[in-house]
Amino acid sequence: AQSVTQLGSHVSVSEGALVLLRCNYSSSVPPYLFWYVQYPNQGLQLLLKYTSAATLVKGINGFEAEFKKSETSFHLTKPSAHMSDAAEYFCAVSAYNQGGKLIFGQGTELSVKP
Amino acid sequence: DAGVIQSPRHEVTEMGQEVTLRCKPISGHNSLFWYRQTMMRGLELLIYFNNNVPIDDSGMPEDRFSAKMPNASFSTLKIQPSEPRDSAVYFCASSLFRQASGELFFGEGSRLTVL
Repeated sequence: AQSVTQLGSHVSVSEGALVLLRCNYSSSVPPYLFWYVQYPNQGLQLLLKYTSAATLVKGINGFEAEFKKSETSFHLTKPSAHMSDAAEYFCAVSAYNQGGKLIFGQGTELSVKP
Repeated sequence: DAGVIQSPRHEVTEMGQEVTLRCKPISGHNSLFWYRQTMMRGLELLIYFNNNVPIDDSGMPEDRFSAKMPNASFSTLKIQPSEPRDSAVYFCASSLFRQASGELFFGEGSRLTVL
């Protein structure tokens, strides 16, 4: 079975500060890992994904994430937060034998203060 | 290209009524997923289809829920009879199935309120 745990349901940062959203996964087979963003009243959009190539993955809007197998982590970072980054962020896991379905974490709401 | 299209965007109904949510996946995609989002339970996978065939419906909460995909361009999620605890946002997503590493494209969701 696969699962994802996002540490912190709410994170608040100042504009220009580092953004760090934490995600730990559990998977019995090599995982595929994803970060999605959800803006209010919208669907989810893909930020980035890890599919066993480079462990440091760069995504859209300046976000990146690093796959660390030893720590079973896939934390999302951005060096400098912008007001437009305020949204809910979801980490998700899949695997080659899961038919493409994603298992999502509970989400982390990011607030950005001026 | 148009994204995943869901209808209705909002639905308010009374307990006991039948609710039908509709989804048109992205043209050419061969996998379709129905998710439910609530504050308490987050995003839950209800059911998914590959090539119009239901593959895993273990997330469907009860027999009151049913989903169909009669062709590659249309799917429905039906709740009959509806209950207040079914109130949630229901998302449809589609992908091009390719060894599970493909991106899911989500619709904007159908917000259901059951009174």
